[in-house]
Amino acid sequence: AQTVTQSQPEMSVQEAETVTLSCTYDTSESDYYLFWYKQPPSRQMILVIRQEAYKQQNATENRFSVNFQKAAKSFSLKISDSQLGDAAMYFCAYRSAPIQGAQKLVFGQGTRLTINP
Amino acid sequence: KAGVTQTPRYLIKTRGQQVTLSCSPISGHRSVSWYQQTPGQGLQFLFEYFSETQRNKGNFPGRFSGRQFSNSRSEMNVSTLELGDSALYLCASSLGQREKLFFGSGTQLSVL
Repeated sequence: AQTVTQSQPEMSVQEAETVTLSCTYDTSESDYYLFWYKQPPSRQMILVIRQEAYKQQNATENRFSVNFQKAAKSFSLKISDSQLGDAAMYFCAYRSAPIQGAQKLVFGQGTRLTINP
Repeated sequence: KAGVTQTPRYLIKTRGQQVTLSCSPISGHRSVSWYQQTPGQGLQFLFEYFSETQRNKGNFPGRFSGRQFSNSRSEMNVSTLELGDSALYLCASSLGQREKLFFGSGTQLSVL
């Protein structure tokens, strides 16, 4: 079974600075997807960024980028120019490719990110 | 386009009762999945439906069940509620297996 580990329960950063959230995963599959989701106090899970394992290029979405190291099974999220609205719980998640397994998200335990003004 | 809608937002029940939660996916989405979120266990997959068929099921007891209707709306039911069933129940929808999942705001269930 796949597992996802987020080793940082809490992180804080000054507004406008850069922060990196860590995530490692374990799998024997070769084709899969990795995600970062954000959960603000409203509780809705919002997709921040998605990475397909077969793509070597790291995904980027505006101020959000990932460092995907497939061999090391590492998938970190970098938030640049942090804004107060970035404060939330961040979850790293894994999903098998359709041909390989169940279409479910396996989540890490989350990292609570605080932005200091 | 409206997002994923879950009703009710909050629910209080007592042990032994049963409960039904509802999820309306984004228009056109045929896949609906359910997750349970608790402080202790985190986010865990319950089940996934596609075109009215359960495609996958997580490791939960038979007290947890669900269904999907022809309009893609989904319900999940928990019978004989236990204190440990207190959780945020999240629903997500997508166009298909390779597509992004969009989540609702969840139903917070408290079992007293």
